[in-house]
Amino acid sequence: EPEVTQTPSHQVTQMGQEVILRCVPISNHLYFYWYRQILGQKVEFLVSFYNNEISEKSEIFDDQFSVERPDGSNFTLKIRSTKLEDSAMYFCASRTGGVTEAFFGQGTRLTVV
Amino acid sequence: AQRVTQPEKLLSVFKGAPVELKCNYSYSGSPELFWYVQYSRQRLQLLLRHISRESIKGFTADLNKGETSFHLKKPFAQEEDSAMYYCALRGDNFNKFYFGSGTKLNVKP
Repeated sequence: EPEVTQTPSHQVTQMGQEVILRCVPISNHLYFYWYRQILGQKVEFLVSFYNNEISEKSEIFDDQFSVERPDGSNFTLKIRSTKLEDSAMYFCASRTGGVTEAFFGQGTRLTVV
Repeated sequence: AQRVTQPEKLLSVFKGAPVELKCNYSYSGSPELFWYVQYSRQRLQLLLRHISRESIKGFTADLNKGETSFHLKKPFAQEEDSAMYYCALRGDNFNKFYFGSGTKLNVKP
């Protein structure tokens, strides 16, 4: 069964550094998402991406965040200058169109020190 | 505003007991409701979607528009059901999924 895959599984970075989280969505999917989950808190929406552009973004998704689909298969989340409070599990998800669920990756645990 | 509420953070039951995980939502249009499950150290996986009206692993959930609820039920809980359960909503005019805060189900032997 096809899966959404994310790399790395764990990333440790120093405050102020840039990080890129990578995702390979399921190949025939059209909608792509990033969510995050701070330890002990709920799963929060960051951004959705469709037709090569951002379709929605949350208040969390400020100027330090960006997303790209550089080559038609990867979907990346970049955090330009990480803060301690960016430490969280980041989930990528994708889905086909219509009334369908989102399929989630296994997550990248980002630790900012 | 769209909102998904799961009032219980933790639900502990004995094996074989019935279980009901509550989910209430706030949305003015026609929502799509889902239950996701996250077993220890694994990814979020779809358990149920309301539109399919299916039973998966013995779980069922019925959308009650009058009460704006989508409670998850299982008549006889099993130890392997122990996991985090998230209720999620997607509205008919947007893409994103709103998640509840999750309920940890602990099934004791």
